[in-house]
Amino acid sequence: EVQLVESGGGLVKPGGSLRLSCAASGFAFTNAWMSWVRQAPGKGLEWVGRIKSKTDGGTTDYAAPVKGRFTISRDDSKNTLYLQMNSLKTEDTAVYCCILEGYIRGWFFDYWGQGTLVTVSS
Amino acid sequence: DIQMTQSPSSLSASVGDRVTITCRASQSISSYLNWYQQKPGKAPKLLIYTASSLQSEVPSRFSGSGSGTDFTLTISSLQPEDFATYHCQQSYSIPYTFGQGTKLEI
Repeated sequence: EVQLVESGGGLVKPGGSLRLSCAASGFAFTNAWMSWVRQAPGKGLEWVGRIKSKTDGGTTDYAAPVKGRFTISRDDSKNTLYLQMNSLKTEDTAVYCCILEGYIRGWFFDYWGQGTLVTVSS
Repeated sequence: DIQMTQSPSSLSASVGDRVTITCRASQSISSYLNWYQQKPGKAPKLLIYTASSLQSEVPSRFSGSGSGTDFTLTISSLQPEDFATYHCQQSYSIPYTFGQGTKLEI
């Protein structure tokens, strides 16, 4: 059974930093492309970024609002995905979910974690 | 970036109704369109991928269609457990983008 369990959320002041973790199990994490998606309270879904598997280059892509401030990384030896968030802004307040991407003739968000809440407030 | 627009934003319906939700892309995305269902306090769940393929274990009353810029999600006969928010998402190009969501209410 695929499981994705996020941790590391909490309250942080504007300008601060936070690192989220996502512990993965039940699938071959090493081969997986993983994404982060966030949802601000009462708002829609927003893709944050993704990381490819190391065999596919391990490269990352980011949404414009977080580029240069957020960094996605992975530790395949620990089956763990990370989201390092720096220079946080109040508009980064959201539930952050990690996602296992799937591919059948096109990419989709196959499995979602339950998310961890990040609140940026003074 | 590709903008995704869903309509309606909210919809009132009854058990047994046939319901259609529309998603329009700001440019052609071929068939790279996915649909998700989200219940309150829960993570979204994949329903339909590449416009019309039903994810495993999703009931057959859900169907998707369309290509290019216009897509629809249809629920043929609403069940009580279908009252939720539905999101479309394009995977044609990075950054992936979502519609604003459609809240389906009783």
